[in-house]
Amino acid sequence: EVQLVESGGGLVQPGGSLRLSCAASGFTFSSYWMSWVRQAPGKGLEWVANVKQDGSEKYYVDSVKGRFTISRDNAKNSLYLQMNSLRAEDTAVYYCARDWYAEYFQYWGQGTLVTVSS
Amino acid sequence: QSALTQPRSVSGSPGQSVTISCTGTSSDVGGYTYVSWYQQHPGKAPKLMIYDVSKRPSGVPDRFSGSKSGNTASLTISGLQAEDEADYYCCSYAGSYTVIFGGGTILTVL
Repeated sequence: EVQLVESGGGLVQPGGSLRLSCAASGFTFSSYWMSWVRQAPGKGLEWVANVKQDGSEKYYVDSVKGRFTISRDNAKNSLYLQMNSLRAEDTAVYYCARDWYAEYFQYWGQGTLVTVSS
Repeated sequence: QSALTQPRSVSGSPGQSVTISCTGTSSDVGGYTYVSWYQQHPGKAPKLMIYDVSKRPSGVPDRFSGSKSGNTASLTISGLQAEDEADYYCCSYAGSYTVIFGGGTILTVL
């Protein structure tokens, strides 16, 4: 059974940093692209970033470029999102998702809430 | 990059059919056959319902179908059931391994 479990969310002040993690199991992690997708309270889904199987290619939505960094550790079956210079508009539930070459997201985690507020 | 355009809400009675549209541009929906649809119940993670415009993952009822014409994709749900009441999001490949979602549609089963 495919499982994706996010962690690391919480309350952070504007300008602060946070690192999200996603632990994957039930599939060969190193064979798949992985993505982060977020959802602000009461709003729609927004793709944030993805990373190729070997970590050599990474892509981001314009609003987080230069502030967020996606990475992965295939030996630990883990996906990460380092978030710096956080803004109030980054407040959202962040989902980890298994990504098929940016064509679709077949499996999703349960999400972790990030709140940026003073 | 603006979100794909979906109707804010749609509704239908049990047993009826509803169609949710998703309009983009030639740079996303119109340019690729990589449109997917997700169902999201309150407080839950999204669930893949349709991928590659019209393909259904294993376990998704054949009441759910997808199509595309030009820059507009559509999700049709036939034989509406109470459990279909949820938010629905379209999603498209937008080139260079980037992705764009629609704003979401609230489906109400009357």
